[in-house]
Amino acid sequence: DAKTTQPNSMESNEEEPVHLPCNHSTISGTDYIHWYRQLPSQGPEYVIHGLTSNVNNRMASLAIAEDRKSSTLILHRATLRDAAVYYCILADSWGKFQFGAGTQVVVTP
Amino acid sequence: DAGVIQSPRHEVTEMGQEVTLRCKPISGHNSLFWYRQTMMRGLELLIYFNNNVPIDDSGMPEDRFSAKMPNASFSTLKIQPSEPRDSAVYFCASSSGQGAGYEQFFGPGTRLTVL
Repeated sequence: DAKTTQPNSMESNEEEPVHLPCNHSTISGTDYIHWYRQLPSQGPEYVIHGLTSNVNNRMASLAIAEDRKSSTLILHRATLRDAAVYYCILADSWGKFQFGAGTQVVVTP
Repeated sequence: DAGVIQSPRHEVTEMGQEVTLRCKPISGHNSLFWYRQTMMRGLELLIYFNNNVPIDDSGMPEDRFSAKMPNASFSTLKIQPSEPRDSAVYFCASSSGQGAGYEQFFGPGTRLTVL
């Protein structure tokens, strides 16, 4: 199964951008890249997903490398409510997710 | 709209007892997933269904675990007999289709403690 590698933690100041990297060198041609986040005592929550092109939505942007072996989630202006564990996930053609360890994002006022 | 509903939210039981966790997916969704989350192993996919049929149960840890989906609006995960190492948070998720491009919607989870 394809796997993802993320830093254990990242810290950001409030209202500054946060760039969360993810390596997925064994990604297959049909795998989608998904990002979810999990706040304390809650289930994971969808953030964004993409296949090849960069994607934007109201929560974040997803930048995907041309060879698709890495991607970066961009939170444009971090708020205290963005403090969570962020998971980079590869979804296979069946829709099966494999979660990694995630990145703990700490936002300081 | 109601999201994914799980019950109970918390369950405390003694070793050897049977435990049943319940999930109601979002109406109209045809894929359902059961996950387990522990500090040691993180989030693991246990089993998933498409159109009420189990597609992949390779993540089910052992024969003590079983899952059913008798209809499109209900699924159960049963542990019999339970053991302390089964203590974890169990999440149910659903999606509107089967494939890599579909978002999964997660429930709030059931925190299971086996004494």
